[in-house]
Amino acid sequence: AQSVAQPEDQVNVAEGNPLTVKCTYSVSGNPYLFWYVQYPNRGLQFLLKYITGDNLVKGSYGFEAEFNKSQTSFHLKKPSALVSDSALYFCAVRSMEYGNKLVFGAGTILRVKS
Amino acid sequence: KAGVTQTPRYLIKTRGQQVTLSCSPISGHRSVSWYQQTPGQGLQFLFEYFSETQRNKGNFPGRFSGRQFSNSRSEMNVSTLELGDSALYLCASSPGRALTGTNEKLFFGSGTQLSVL
Repeated sequence: AQSVAQPEDQVNVAEGNPLTVKCTYSVSGNPYLFWYVQYPNRGLQFLLKYITGDNLVKGSYGFEAEFNKSQTSFHLKKPSALVSDSALYFCAVRSMEYGNKLVFGAGTILRVKS
Repeated sequence: KAGVTQTPRYLIKTRGQQVTLSCSPISGHRSVSWYQQTPGQGLQFLFEYFSETQRNKGNFPGRFSGRQFSNSRSEMNVSTLELGDSALYLCASSPGRALTGTNEKLFFGSGTQLSVL
């Protein structure tokens, strides 16, 4: 089974509406979970991470993510989308189960339309 | 502080040739990781170095190799290039506060776009 899955290839949302980009993981124990964003022709930029503690993690550019252990999910959210949020979003997990490598999901394209 | 620098930005090679890509991490960072990004396979982990030691390796053939120098700069080499090696190769650095894996965030370079003809 994939260690981290992003079930949606693409998410479309209107500017000003809330957005959610989904991520589920399948590792045992306590994984480290991350979200990164990639703009065209650029490397990835860190958004936020969950290590332990509060299940709601706040990150850069107004993004937040909610860790749900029972559902093994770590969905990325933003209350009000901007056109400039349009990019490729990657969820990633680091776990001893996978040799402590940082493993990325397939990525989700977010398109925000004005 | 300068970011992660990867050179060259673009590279065109033919099958059978070899190529060396370079990565200069953020000053003070001791850990460097390499990833291959393709439309079909997404981001695939290649290797991770910490203080000149390879501490993790992905599932790539032996044609892919890397190293890290004492100043933390890293290079990766691909020998006997194949068409399927065409990809964006991304390098990332982190402070590397411990030899074992950490929860540190990675800082990525803009990548080297390799095209194999």
